[in-house]
Amino acid sequence: EIVLTQSPGTLSLSPGERATLSCRASQSVRSSYLAWYQHKPGQAPRLLIHGASTRATGIPDRFSGSGSGTDFTLTISRLEPEDLAVYYCQQYGAAPRTFGQGTKVEIK
Amino acid sequence: QVQLVQSGAEVKEPGASVKVSCKASGYTFTNYNINWVRQAPGQGLEWVGWMNPDTGKTGYAEKFQGRVTMTRYTSIRTAHMELSSLTSEDTAMYYCAREFRITGARLGWFDAWGPGTLVTVSS
Repeated sequence: EIVLTQSPGTLSLSPGERATLSCRASQSVRSSYLAWYQHKPGQAPRLLIHGASTRATGIPDRFSGSGSGTDFTLTISRLEPEDLAVYYCQQYGAAPRTFGQGTKVEIK
Repeated sequence: QVQLVQSGAEVKEPGASVKVSCKASGYTFTNYNINWVRQAPGQGLEWVGWMNPDTGKTGYAEKFQGRVTMTRYTSIRTAHMELSSLTSEDTAMYYCAREFRITGARLGWFDAWGPGTLVTVSS
């Protein structure tokens, strides 16, 4: 199975700063079939990005995804207080689907 | 709008089974696979398995093979996940999620999630 490794484990930034989250795959993800989810405490996960770079419906444009092959990035261009959450990448290019272990974004 | 509503929290003893339901609305139930994902306390998201509501075909993560069963009742647009031989390690929030696949793709992303069902395994 494809193992996804996310870094850093925790990111602590101030509002307005740029957040860069990494997701590295143990083998190439076919067709950039990679998604990002935001998971806030007490809520269900929410889809942010699919196909590595396509924003889901209703997602603000401060969220962007990039990458291909084994290296993917989620960027939050200007952090807002409500972005406090754990962010997960997931690959759906090969069975079984797998998630990364998550990056926690803290707001200073 | 697409909505997934899950059954309420459960407390089970070790060795018991639990059945969690997920009722869909706002779309054609049989057109999208339902997946189940869990999150144990302090842990990340873990994929459990998938079900095609149209055909009933299922696929399970290897670690749950033999212990999980996914079924559906199409007339009431409801999917179920049953997990047996529970241990304390099965204590987790269980989410159902709708899978969106593009034409020709075998797998897809999860574009709608239920609110989660907390399953606690304790004696």
